[in-house]
Amino acid sequence: AQSVTQPDIHITVSEGASLELRCNYSYGATPYLFWYVQSPGQGLQLLLKYFSGDTLVQGIKGFEAEFKRSQSSFNLRKPSVHWSDAAEYFCAVAPSGSARQLTFGSGTQLTVLP
Amino acid sequence: KAGVTQTPRYLIKTRGQQVTLSCSPISGHRSVSWYQQTPGQGLQFLFEYFSETQRNKGNFPGRFSGRQFSNSRSEMNVSTLELGDSALYLCASSLNAGGLTGELFFGEGSRLTVL
Repeated sequence: AQSVTQPDIHITVSEGASLELRCNYSYGATPYLFWYVQSPGQGLQLLLKYFSGDTLVQGIKGFEAEFKRSQSSFNLRKPSVHWSDAAEYFCAVAPSGSARQLTFGSGTQLTVLP
Repeated sequence: KAGVTQTPRYLIKTRGQQVTLSCSPISGHRSVSWYQQTPGQGLQFLFEYFSETQRNKGNFPGRFSGRQFSNSRSEMNVSTLELGDSALYLCASSLNAGGLTGELFFGEGSRLTVL
């Protein structure tokens, strides 16, 4: 069965600092990969997705992620964090061909210090 | 255009009761998926509907059921509620059921509290 691990439950960074959120997955083949963000009381918003091709994926709000097959990782990065980026971030995988049946990681809560 | 609309946003029920949650997808979207979010189990896939047919189902007991109507609106029902059913139930819609149309658009959820 597929699984997703987000090893960092909570990360705190200062505004303007760089950010990297880690995500590792376990799946027999190359899955579809996603990062979502959830603000308090809100639903999930898609930041970016990887299906195939270029392993460096650009998303919204200045985020990017890199797929590394050898490490089974899909880490999310942002060069300069803004206070509005404070939220919970979820990595998710789906089997190729069924992009709506997502398996989510446990999430990383991001706090941004002024 | 309007996003995914879920009703009600908040509700409180007691053990043994049943509950029905509603989801209106984005106009033109034909696939609706449901997820349960709890602090302990995180986000878990419940089921997916496309063209009024259940396409996939997660590992939940038969007390959890759903349906989709011809206008793509969907409902999910939980019978004989248990305390552990307290959760945020998220609905998501997408344009199609096949291929690479992988973006799920999520609603804000229905928060169910079971007392």
